[in-house]
Amino acid sequence: ETGVTQSPTHLIKTRGQQVTLRCSSQSGHNTVSWYQQALGQGPQFIFQYYREEENGRGNFPPRFSGLQFPNYSSELNVNALELDDSALYLCASSPKGESTDTQYFGPGTRLTVL
Amino acid sequence: DQQVKQNSPSLSVQEGRISILNCDYTNSMFDYFLWYKKYPAEGPTFLISISSIKDKNEDGRFTVFLNKSAKHLSLHIVPSQPGDSAVYFCADLTSGAGGTSYGKLTFGQGTILTVHP
Repeated sequence: ETGVTQSPTHLIKTRGQQVTLRCSSQSGHNTVSWYQQALGQGPQFIFQYYREEENGRGNFPPRFSGLQFPNYSSELNVNALELDDSALYLCASSPKGESTDTQYFGPGTRLTVL
Repeated sequence: DQQVKQNSPSLSVQEGRISILNCDYTNSMFDYFLWYKKYPAEGPTFLISISSIKDKNEDGRFTVFLNKSAKHLSLHIVPSQPGDSAVYFCADLTSGAGGTSYGKLTFGQGTILTVHP
């Protein structure tokens, strides 16, 4: 069974640019959540996708957007990057779309905005 | 909004002893809590969970205690091993409002556990 994978591992962008981060769910999982972890903090919920639709969102501006594909993989897009967007971005998948499902995390993408 | 706080940034313990990691929360409506462990360059790994219908849940060396009146939970690791050295996060799992059924994790800031041989 393959776990959650994310790409790329590291990324450096400049302020104002756009970035796309990718996530492949664990096999059999149909729900993907994205989290932002700033240095020294716990992860913060960005949004969740279930069967290709966003079904929950945290306190992040609209320049954070996402997609989920028919194979349940997912993308996180961030437009107009700001310095404060520098963080570890974590993707988590869960099996059934139930709110109490355990979420299984990937290793993350480290984004640096200069 | 729920807040989850881990007030101890770090904890150092001798191998074989007990490690106790603490977590406080603010909103009693949220009643499902989890502990995750994170090693450097890896994502958080689920350890153990507890719901408000229980006050204790045990899995091997790991036990989580929930004190609802104090809005406090703790993770006990007995005996502690050097491989347990990691960042530990407590989190509450919130179900979505407005008819949706999404699960949102709200994490504490984490506690760095170091277990010395």
